[in-house]
Amino acid sequence: GENVEQHPSTLSVQEGDSAVIKCTYSDSASNYFPWYKQELGKRPQLIIDIRSNVGEKKDQRIAVTLNKTAKHFSLHITETQPEDSAVYFCAASMGGQNFVFGPGTRLSVLP
Amino acid sequence: EAGVAQSPRYKIIEKRQSVAFWCNPISGHATLYWYQQILGQGPKLLIQFQNNGVVDDSQLPKDRFSAERLKGVDSTLKIQPAKLEDSAVYLCASRTSGSLAGELFFGEGSRLTVL
Repeated sequence: GENVEQHPSTLSVQEGDSAVIKCTYSDSASNYFPWYKQELGKRPQLIIDIRSNVGEKKDQRIAVTLNKTAKHFSLHITETQPEDSAVYFCAASMGGQNFVFGPGTRLSVLP
Repeated sequence: EAGVAQSPRYKIIEKRQSVAFWCNPISGHATLYWYQQILGQGPKLLIQFQNNGVVDDSQLPKDRFSAERLKGVDSTLKIQPAKLEDSAVYLCASRTSGSLAGELFFGEGSRLTVL
C-alpha cells in the first residue's frame, strides 16, 4: 500500500522567512496530494492541494510543487507569520480513495 | 453549511471497558472515513464507507473495533474491549464521491483516554 514520508518533523523559522516541508510517496498511482494544517486541539483543515496533472499551484503565500517522476511534493510558505504556527500534514490519494497521511511537521514561527 | 459533527468530544474509560463514537457527516457526502490520530502522529485510516458499504477496513483491528453506517448517513465506531494503546483522537471525515472529488472535511474529533 501507499506510504508517505514527511520531513522535517519540526521546523522553526523567523517571522517573515520562508518555510519548506517535503513529502515523498511510494505508489505511483496516487494522483491527488492535499496539505492539511492542524492547530492545537483543532481539526485538520485543507490549505492547498494539487493533482498529478499539474506541477505547481499557488495560493497567496502558499505554494505546492509536485515531481511525479521522483514521487515527491513540497509545501512552500513565504513571508511566514505567527499564525502559520501549527502542525502540517501532507497526504496522498488515488482517485480520492484511501487518503494516506504523513507523520506531520510542527512549524514554529518565531517573532 | 453545517460541518462534520462528532460526539462525545472527550471520553475517559478504563481498559477492557467499551466506548462508542458517533459521526454525522456533511449533508450529501457519500464517503465517510474514521481515522485514528495518536498524539504526535498523522491520522491513520481505520475504515472508509461509501454510502452504507465498506470500501476499506484493512487497518481496522476487527477483534476489538467495529463500525457501521446503516442508513448511509451517520456512523458509529465502537471499541470493545479498549486497550491502553487505543488512547487517541478519533477523527471522522467526509467528502463528496467521485474520483475528482477533493477535500476531506474533518470533524472536531473524539479524544479517548484509556486508563
